[in-house]
Amino acid sequence: DAKTTQPTSMDCAEGRAANLPCNHSTISGNEYVYWYRQIHSQGPQYIIHGLKNNETNEMASLIITEDRKSSTLILPHATLRDTAVYYCIVSPYSGGYQKVTFGTGTKLQVIP
Amino acid sequence: GAVVSQHPSRVICKSGTSVKIECRSLDFQATTMFWYRQFPKQSLMLMATSNEGSKATYEQGVEKDKFLINHASLTLSTLTVTSAHPEDSSFYICSALIPNRSPRGYTFGSGTRLTVV
Repeated sequence: DAKTTQPTSMDCAEGRAANLPCNHSTISGNEYVYWYRQIHSQGPQYIIHGLKNNETNEMASLIITEDRKSSTLILPHATLRDTAVYYCIVSPYSGGYQKVTFGTGTKLQVIP
Repeated sequence: GAVVSQHPSRVICKSGTSVKIECRSLDFQATTMFWYRQFPKQSLMLMATSNEGSKATYEQGVEKDKFLINHASLTLSTLTVTSAHPEDSSFYICSALIPNRSPRGYTFGSGTRLTVV
């Protein structure tokens, strides 16, 4: 079973920030939070990952709560090309061997 | 870096025939690869884990004799759907564990859309 829960769908206006929440209340100390997205009929694409500190890269920012039980992926200026299903996943450690189980994800629709 | 190439992207086959899907790691050695299946409007479901040089580990409910996985080299894993039937029509995706030189964890192929007619 997936260890994360996410809203089924969200809308965001083009140019605005998209904030996608994820609950991972049973996360353990050695588990990272990963975010992937899947554009229609493509394979998932890595976005960002983190352990406990907030992270930022060229695609997004990841905010992890202090208790690590939830996180938020932020797309600062959403574009139409960001329309996709976003998956939040927890996995033991970066690069470690652990099969990845996908939940249902959040379908983000960016609206013109 | 850490690119996985999956081929073919689309395939249509007749019921009862077999189809092979290839997954290649282009710039790294993939000792572990994963195979997923995705039905329309559903999430990815893990089918099996393949390790180079050993037998694949299948998830519960996945028929190992129907979905043959071979991981004979560090850069290639194949999934063969044997005696395909229309209910096997789905989107199949492979994934590889990236070696520790990268922080990204896993990389995914672009998927194969299988249609059995």
